[in-house]
Order: sequence, then structure tokens, then C-alpha cells
Amino acid sequence: AQSVTQLGSHVSVSEGALVLLRCNYSSSVPPYLFWYVQYPNQGLQLLLKYTTGATLVKGINGFEAEFKKSETSFHLTKPSAHMSDAAEYFCAVSANSGYALNFGKGTSLLVTP
Amino acid sequence: DTGVSQNPRHKITKRGQNVTFRCDPISEHNRLYWYRQTLGQGPEFLTYFQNEAQLEKSRLLSDRFSAERPKGSFSTLEIQRTEQGDSAMYLCASFWTSGASNEQFFGPGTRLTVL
Repeated sequence: AQSVTQLGSHVSVSEGALVLLRCNYSSSVPPYLFWYVQYPNQGLQLLLKYTTGATLVKGINGFEAEFKKSETSFHLTKPSAHMSDAAEYFCAVSANSGYALNFGKGTSLLVTP
Repeated sequence: DTGVSQNPRHKITKRGQNVTFRCDPISEHNRLYWYRQTLGQGPEFLTYFQNEAQLEKSRLLSDRFSAERPKGSFSTLEIQRTEQGDSAMYLCASFWTSGASNEQFFGPGTRLTVL
């Protein structure tokens, strides 16, 4: 079985500051890991994913994440926050390509001027 | 590629009524998924299809829920005898097993309110 835990249901950063959203996973097989973003009243948009290969993955809008097997983590970072980054962020895991996604509870990112 | 579409976007119903939602996936995508998202939570998997075959159902999918994908294109999700606890956003996603992206593409969702 696969599951993820997102630490911190709300994170607040100042515009221009580092964004760090935490995700730890549990998986009985090598995981496929994803970060999605959701803006109010919209569906989910993929930010980035890890399947195999390079453990540092870069996504859209300047976000990146590093797969650390020893720490069972897949934290999302962005060097400099923009006001437009304010949204809900979800970490997800699946057992293989195209399998059902298991999502965390989400982290709401607030960006202050 | 017009993306995944869902109809209706909003549905308000009274407890005990039946409701049906529709999802139109991206045209070449052979897998279609349904998820449910309640307020303040992440999406939870309900079921998925490959073409017209329903391959997996979550234990969250009670007997009051039924999903179909009769011709391997669009899908419908029906909830019978709705309960207040069914109030949620119902999300549909599609996926192409022959593609290289490993990405499920999500629709905008149908928000159900049961009074």
C-alpha cells in the first residue's frame, strides 16, 4: 500500500522568500511521486513528478523536488515565492505508471507582500 | 486537445435524490479515473476504467455509487439516494497508457451539495 503525509496544513511565506512544502511517503514498492497544485474552484495541475532516474526533478513555475529514498521524502521547493503561488498543494504517490493516485491532505500556501 | 471536461460543474440536490455526473476525457486517453475531494482534504480514489472495463474500485465506493464507461469514451458516475455526506467535489482524470508523460490529467470537477 502507498500513502503520503504532508507536514503542515498551512504554510505562510513572504514574497521573495524560499518555499518549502514537506511530503513523506510510505510505499511497499518503488514509488511514483507527484506534486499537484489546485487553485480555488479548479482541478488539479501537475507541477512535477518522479518516476525513475535523476532524483532532483524540476517542474513548472520554478518548482523542484528531490526524491530521497533514505528519508522517504519528496519535499517541494521554490527559491523565491510569487504572489501567484498562493494555492493548495498536494503530494501524491502511486505504485506504478497509470495506477490510482494516493494523495496527502494538502498544504495551503499563503504568500504575503 | 481540449482537456478533460466535466458536467455539470455544480449540482445541488435534496437528500434521497439520485444524481449523475458526466466526464469526457482527452480523446486518445484509454484510462479514466474518478476521485472524490471533501472540504480541506486531498482527493480520494474511487474507481478507474481502462477502455470500457472497470478495473478497480475503492472500498469508498458504496453500493449507492455506480460508474460506467459504456463505449470506452465518456464516463458517468451515478449516486443513488444521496446523503449529506456525499457532498464533495467529484474529480475525473484521464491517462494514456501508451504515452510517456506518466501524468493523469484532471478535469475541473463537479461540486455536489446535498441539502
